[in-house]
Amino acid sequence: EAQVTQNPRYLITVTGKKLTVTCSQNMNHEYMSWYRQDPGLGLRQIYYSMNVEVTDKGDVPEGYKVSRKEKRNFPLILESPSPNQTSLYFCASTRSSGANVLTFGAGSRLTVL
Amino acid sequence: RKEVEQDPGPFNVPEGATVAFNCTYSNSASQSFFWYRQDCRKEPKLLMSVYSSGNEDGRFTAQLNRASQYISLLIRDSKLSDSATYLCVVKRGGSYIPTFGRGTSLIVHP
Repeated sequence: EAQVTQNPRYLITVTGKKLTVTCSQNMNHEYMSWYRQDPGLGLRQIYYSMNVEVTDKGDVPEGYKVSRKEKRNFPLILESPSPNQTSLYFCASTRSSGANVLTFGAGSRLTVL
Repeated sequence: RKEVEQDPGPFNVPEGATVAFNCTYSNSASQSFFWYRQDCRKEPKLLMSVYSSGNEDGRFTAQLNRASQYISLLIRDSKLSDSATYLCVVKRGGSYIPTFGRGTSLIVHP
């Protein structure tokens, strides 16, 4: 089944403890991106990647890192999480940067205490 | 002015009602338009693309007005299962990044 898989789906952690949210897609998509969704603010893009080893900042990149060493994987790294990074995170992918339909992962709900 | 604006609602309608949402966008270079549906705490999923001439998919009709820079979504004969948040998405020509509106909440009650 074609899908975007995120892990973990739920995580409670403490301030400053590094964590990684993994994202993997099995559709050979070139374009992948990370969003966070907060009440009243909608979906905001954190980082995106147009292909392997090509990443760029979205609207809210502060406090996050990403890497794209392989086409299928696009992990989101929080080096030193803070409570304002408590949010619902979505990974998404699409066939190419010119394509239009985004396929989203099921979401990762992160709480930073 | 936000790039994509939607009335957050909620729109509270009875089953069988017709309901319409609008979404305005600020960048006249926008070229691609979509409606996504998001159920509570789940991932957004594409509902339909919006074409210049307007398009229909069953009970759903999407329209684009380039002159006034808005898109609309009309839902006829609302079902309980239509309750969700509807996200307007706009993509500028030459941009790799789609811009999401904050969503309009629809609640269909018996």
